Amino acid sequence: KAGVTQTPRYLIKTRGQQVTLSCSPISGHRSVSWYQQTPGQGLQFLFEYFSETQRNKGNFPGRFSGRQFSNSRSEMNVSTLELGDSALYLCASSLVGDRGISPEAFFGQGTRLTVV
Amino acid sequence: AQSVAQPEDQVNVAEGNPLTVKCTYSVSGNPYLFWYVQYPNRGLQFLLKYITGDNLVKGSYGFEAEFNKSQTSFHLKKPSALVSDSALYFCAARTGFQKLVFGTGTRLLVSP
Repeated sequence: KAGVTQTPRYLIKTRGQQVTLSCSPISGHRSVSWYQQTPGQGLQFLFEYFSETQRNKGNFPGRFSGRQFSNSRSEMNVSTLELGDSALYLCASSLVGDRGISPEAFFGQGTRLTVV
Repeated sequence: AQSVAQPEDQVNVAEGNPLTVKCTYSVSGNPYLFWYVQYPNRGLQFLLKYITGDNLVKGSYGFEAEFNKSQTSFHLKKPSALVSDSALYFCAARTGFQKLVFGTGTRLLVSP
């Protein structure tokens, strides 16, 4: 079974631009979460989607947004990029079983975003 | 608010010796607890989880973790460390449908 796939793996953007990152969850997983990882702040939760609805949201500015499609694939968008947005962006998926969401999350390889 | 603490930024151990990476948590309700490992420029790999039941859980690559409710701890252990175990380890917790909360990570260095 294929794991969580994130594209692209690496990205270089200029300040002020916008960027869209993509995440394809493990087949059958309907919950997708996004995290930002930086050396200074560690792993910070961005948002979680389940069945195309945002269920949880972290403390990030409105420049960070996301969505989930009917096939559970998710995209994350960052507008008006700032230098501080340079980070590894990780996507994770979780299985939704009969009793609700399976608690463990499986992560993709991440997208390394560099803002110059 | 939920939080996870990993008190050690780095743990050094010689190959063949036992290793322990510490984690304490503060969550309301019954926690789900996890350990993940991260190698350079890679995502997080799931190692093991505690949901309920036996306090000692076994995971991938010979790792295990002990859940201690009274001490609110979930330390990661391995009886005999390998150089290839050198990586960044994250402890995480969640309750119900809440978001996963991560510790700050502990770098494990295993020397030959």
